[in-house]
Amino acid sequence: AQKITQTQPGMFVQEKEAVTLDCTYDTSDQSYGLFWYKQPSSGEMIFLIYQGSYDEQNATEGRYSLNFQKARKSANLVISASQLGDSAMYFCAMSLTNNFNKFYFGSGTKLNVKP
Amino acid sequence: NAGVTQTPKFQVLKTGQSMTLQCAQDMNHEYMSWYRQDPGMGLRLIHYSVGAGITDQGEVPNGYNVSRSTTEDFPLRLLSAAPSQTSVYFCASREGLGGNYGYTFGSGTRLTVV
Repeated sequence: AQKITQTQPGMFVQEKEAVTLDCTYDTSDQSYGLFWYKQPSSGEMIFLIYQGSYDEQNATEGRYSLNFQKARKSANLVISASQLGDSAMYFCAMSLTNNFNKFYFGSGTKLNVKP
Repeated sequence: NAGVTQTPKFQVLKTGQSMTLQCAQDMNHEYMSWYRQDPGMGLRLIHYSVGAGITDQGEVPNGYNVSRSTTEDFPLRLLSAAPSQTSVYFCASREGLGGNYGYTFGSGTRLTVV
């Protein structure tokens, strides 16, 4: 069965430091995509970054990078130089190519950036 | 770009009332979904549509109806509201299906059923 696990319900990081949010996934499919979304206190869901299962290089988008370790089935989000505006809930998600109506979300990690 | 527009943003219903949550997207996405977000349970799929005239049930469809008469619109109807339907509802659309397509979300509707 497919599953996304985020083991850190909440995290604190000092402003300007880097932080890693953990995500592990479970699937027997070979073709899938991994996503990270940010949900600030205002409630909207904001797409951050995407990693395809066949991508050989880790995805990067500005201060966000995805540390993709396929053998370990992990897709950790790294935020460099944290800012106060990074305080939010972060969700890891997975989409399967061969089962398109399935989009699995983790339970989320609440990140608090301290000044 | 408007993206995915949801209305209303907030709603309070009495038990037994019905209402429709509106969702519209202007990106010509074929695939649209409704999710509900509850504390500690993440996002759960209610209904989805792969194109106009085609809808199907997700993980938690009971108490909800959907229709898709146009590519743009995907309303969610609560037939007889119950306190268990108190939640935040998100409409989302995808450009395509498969591993490399993520969702664009609406801003959500916070529904309280009293």
